[in-house]
Amino acid sequence: GDSVTQTEGLVTLTEGLPVKLNCTYQTAYSDVAFFWYVQHLNEAPKLLLRSSTDNKRTEHQGFHATLHKSSSSFHLQKSSVQLSDSALYFCALSDHMGAGNKLTFGIGTRVLVRP
Amino acid sequence: NSKVIQTPRYLVKGQGQKAKMRCIPEKGHPVVFWYQQNKNNEFKFLINFQNQEVLQQIDMTEKRFSAECPSNSPCSLEIQSSEAGDSALYLCASSPGLGGSYEQYFGPGTRLTVL
Repeated sequence: GDSVTQTEGLVTLTEGLPVKLNCTYQTAYSDVAFFWYVQHLNEAPKLLLRSSTDNKRTEHQGFHATLHKSSSSFHLQKSSVQLSDSALYFCALSDHMGAGNKLTFGIGTRVLVRP
Repeated sequence: NSKVIQTPRYLVKGQGQKAKMRCIPEKGHPVVFWYQQNKNNEFKFLINFQNQEVLQQIDMTEKRFSAECPSNSPCSLEIQSSEAGDSALYLCASSPGLGGSYEQYFGPGTRLTVL
């Protein structure tokens, strides 16, 4: 089945610095969509970015990611983090095979931004 | 902001008791998903619906878990006999359609504690 790997469990950094969260995946399917969700404490996960186009940069709210099918990656980056970026970040994929388009999530990366 | 409503927000049950939680999807969203997020923040897909029809469900769901999305009523997820390992955040998500171009909008979840 599909799998998503996020290698960093916790990233701690100072406000204003850049951040990169790694996401790699395995899937047997070619018709797949990729997502980054952000979950603040005691809140619902919210979509941050999505892509299904190879080598196309996607941006939202200062974050960006580019799907690279050659390396099976969809890393998330931001050039300058803010205190409000402290949250859990999940990479996920959805294949279009079968019914339902369920999401397969990585284990998440907690980002802690310090003043 | 997501308009998926989940009730109750918190649920405490003893082992062996029934636990029932409800979800009202966003208006106009015919597709509903249920996910379990454990204490390690790992997501597990449980079941999904398109209107009243089950699209996909995992084996766990088929045994102690039951779910439905009746017409003109909230969707529900019920655990017939709660176990300690069921303690988790249960997230409902709705989507305007099937396919990778459609975002899943999450509710705030029902946090179940099984004593």
